[in-house]
Amino acid sequence: AQKVTQAQTEISVVEKEDVTLDCVYETRDTTYYLFWYKQPPSGELVFLIRRNSFDEQNEISGRYSWNFQKSTSSFNFTITASQVVDSAVYFCALSVYGVSNFGNEKLTFGTGTRLTIIP
Amino acid sequence: GAVVSQHPSWVICKSGTSVKIECRSLDFQATTMFWYRQFPKQSLMLMATSNEGSKATYEQGVEKDKFLINHASLTLSTLTVTSAHPEDSSFYICSARDKEVPEAFFGQGTRLTVV
Repeated sequence: AQKVTQAQTEISVVEKEDVTLDCVYETRDTTYYLFWYKQPPSGELVFLIRRNSFDEQNEISGRYSWNFQKSTSSFNFTITASQVVDSAVYFCALSVYGVSNFGNEKLTFGTGTRLTIIP
Repeated sequence: GAVVSQHPSWVICKSGTSVKIECRSLDFQATTMFWYRQFPKQSLMLMATSNEGSKATYEQGVEKDKFLINHASLTLSTLTVTSAHPEDSSFYICSARDKEVPEAFFGQGTRLTVV
């Protein structure tokens, strides 16, 4: 069974500060994908990034960066120079790698971190 | 990314009536769609996995007769909440996966209020 833990329930930071959202996962499978999704107040989940278990390279996309470390089973998400528009609930998720295609595998979600950026 | 459209965005219905929610993949074929329920300030709870042309697979504790799922085509899955009661009020959200990519894409969600 898979498990995703987001220990930070709520975080508040002042605008322009950097903030890191933690994600720790558990799985016995050797091939898997990790994801981050953003859920703004409107409710829709917005896909941000995926990482497969064989790719530990960190990634940067604008103000967003992700740090994947298999040794600690962590996939942390950092927002630099935070903005009010970053206020949302962020979910980390895991999916076991499918053999033939990606269609059927369930996503295991963490409980989410509610991020509030204070103007 | 791929687009998933969910309709309606919100609905208010009377207790005892049924409500149908549609989930469409607009630019890809989704052999599998997923239905989630989300309570306020909580994570997403998977209700069922919807497979095109076959019966849905429900998670433990989810009433099959109350939450009817139909996946009649590769681009459409529907969730019908039958004989709705106030405790069914919640945010329902669907997702679909394009078999070519590992990430799931989500609909806008439907906020159901049963009065």
